[in-house]
Amino acid sequence: QVQLQQSGPGLVKPSQTLSLTCAISGDSVSSNFAAWNWIRQSPSRGLEWLGRTYYRSKWSNDYAVSVKSRITINPDTSRNQFSLQLNSVTPEDTAVYYCARWLSGTRPFDHWGQGTLVTVSS
Amino acid sequence: DIQMTQSPSSLSASVGDRVTFTCRASQSISSYLNWYQQKPGKAPKLLIYAASSLQSGVPSRFSGSGSGTDFNLTISSLQPEDFATYSCQQSNSTPYTFGQGTKLEIK
Repeated sequence: QVQLQQSGPGLVKPSQTLSLTCAISGDSVSSNFAAWNWIRQSPSRGLEWLGRTYYRSKWSNDYAVSVKSRITINPDTSRNQFSLQLNSVTPEDTAVYYCARWLSGTRPFDHWGQGTLVTVSS
Repeated sequence: DIQMTQSPSSLSASVGDRVTFTCRASQSISSYLNWYQQKPGKAPKLLIYAASSLQSGVPSRFSGSGSGTDFNLTISSLQPEDFATYSCQQSNSTPYTFGQGTKLEIK
């Protein structure tokens, strides 16, 4: 049974870096059949896909254009988890952040983390 | 980016009713369309993938249809636990995009 467990701070100051981690159980971050994603949700933007990391003989990343200059998603194979870093945050980055597994083939987000409300405020 | 538009934005219905949600893509996405249910304070839950395939464990009163740009999600007989927000999402190409959601409320 796949489970995703998120961790990280709920409050970040403007201009600083938002950092979250998603620990995976029941699957591998190195799976050739999955991709590991970060998605956020806010009242103004709705559900917004931020990016993903995945392994297909080598590691690759894809990022949304809206955050591409500020985002890094990294796998951690030793701990079977992946992380999100979002730099230079502003209050507009306030949202609930989710990690989610994407399956190749039919391509849904079939498992999600519990969500982390991150507030950007001084 | 592919834009996903859902209608209506909200819907009132009663237990036992049949309801249909609509989702339209700004360009063809074949059958790479997924539907999610979300309750307050919870993560989205996958209901339907590849336009019409029922996710394991999801009741058979949920069904999906469509291809190309126009898709539907139908609940054949509403149950009390079905009152939630329903969102569509395209997985044809990155950036993966979601509709704005349809909130299903009790009449």
